[in-house]
This record gives sequence, C-alpha cells and structure tokens, in this order.
Amino acid sequence: NAGVTQTPKFQVLKTGQSMTLQCAQDMNHEYMSWYRQDPGMGLRLIHYSVGAGITDQGEVPNGYNVSRSTTEDFPLRLLSAAPSQTSVYFCASSPVPGTTEAFFGQGTRLTVV
Amino acid sequence: GQQVMQIPQYQHVQEGEDFTTYCNSSTTLSNIQWYKQRPGGHPVFLIQLVKSGEVKKQKRLTFQFGEAKKNSSLHITATQTTDVGTYFCAGRGVSSGSARQLTFGSGTQLTVLP
Repeated sequence: NAGVTQTPKFQVLKTGQSMTLQCAQDMNHEYMSWYRQDPGMGLRLIHYSVGAGITDQGEVPNGYNVSRSTTEDFPLRLLSAAPSQTSVYFCASSPVPGTTEAFFGQGTRLTVV
Repeated sequence: GQQVMQIPQYQHVQEGEDFTTYCNSSTTLSNIQWYKQRPGGHPVFLIQLVKSGEVKKQKRLTFQFGEAKKNSSLHITATQTTDVGTYFCAGRGVSSGSARQLTFGSGTQLTVLP
C-alpha cells in the first residue's frame, strides 16, 4: 500500500522557471491538500480539493495553481518560481474533510536560486 | 482567518523528564488533531480530539481539549530518546469554509538529551 506518493523528492529551480510537483494517492480519498513547511512557521495550507473537479485556496495560494481531474492525483504547479518559494512541500489526503486524519506524503524539498 | 498558536517553539529536556506543548486557537474548533514529525520526515497522525474537555491517553502521552474548544495540550511523561521530533497541533473550524481546512500550529521541536 503506497499511500501518498510525491515526486520529485528534491528539486532545484532557477528564478522564473515553472514546474509541477506531483502527488498521487491510492486510498480513494476525496480530500487532498498541499502544504508548505518553513522553519518556525509550521505547515501552511496552499490549496485543497474536496473531490475531483473541485479546488479551493488555502492560506498562501499566490504563485501556485492546482487542478484535480481524478480522485488519485493532485498536482501543484509553480508558475514562475521565486526564491520565496524555497520550502518543503507536503501533499496530504484524507477520506473525509473535517473529521479524519490526514495522511502525508514524504515531501518535496524545493530550492529556488 | 483562523490562527493556531503553539508554544514553546523549542524544548530541550533530559531523558526521563516530562514535556508539555500548548496550542491556542483564535476561534472555536470543531476538532483538534496532533501530529509528530521526526527529523527529516513527514507529519504522522497521533490522535484527534472532538469533545469539549476531552482527555485521551496513549501510553506516556496525554492529550487534552479545552472546555471552550479553543485550546489543547500534549503532555509526555518520562520522555525517551524516541520522543525526539516536532509536535504539531492542527485544528478545524466550525464554519463550512474553515471546517475544510486543517490549520497547523507552528510546532514544538522536542530534543531529548540522554
């Protein structure tokens, strides 16, 4: 049982480049979300989805896009990378939003130079 | 928006000492969850509290949810080196919008000295 799989694990981008962080889950969870983790700031919600075709913004959505075409996949797109987006990114999923635990992927460490 | 504050940010203890981390929300929560993140790892779910005044125990860990459902605490008795990591609280609001969002505290990084 793979759970939540994120790729890549590490990535270095140049300022202005774009890229997509991949997230896939095999647990048939309806709810998926993306967080970024910065030192001393905990995990901050970027975007989330309550089901295929439905996405919404979290606390820090600027500079990021998401889509949810299938239940399994929830990619995060950086449109034009900036040094401020250097962070560790976590994808999470849960069966039902609001009442159940979140399962996290292993994370993607992104550096923008 | 909903904010969840957590203190302390860092805590160093000698092995065998107790440890407590506290969590406070700016708004009433429908439930609160606790996660542990080992160094270099990802957050792993520990427990969820739902009821006002609820207390739950997992071996040496005791979790409490305040009467007003705006604060929570995690207490570890007689810490061990395996307890090392960052502990996060995460709460969901009561409104339809905030209930869909899990808001994390900033975490408490626990170091246990042997």
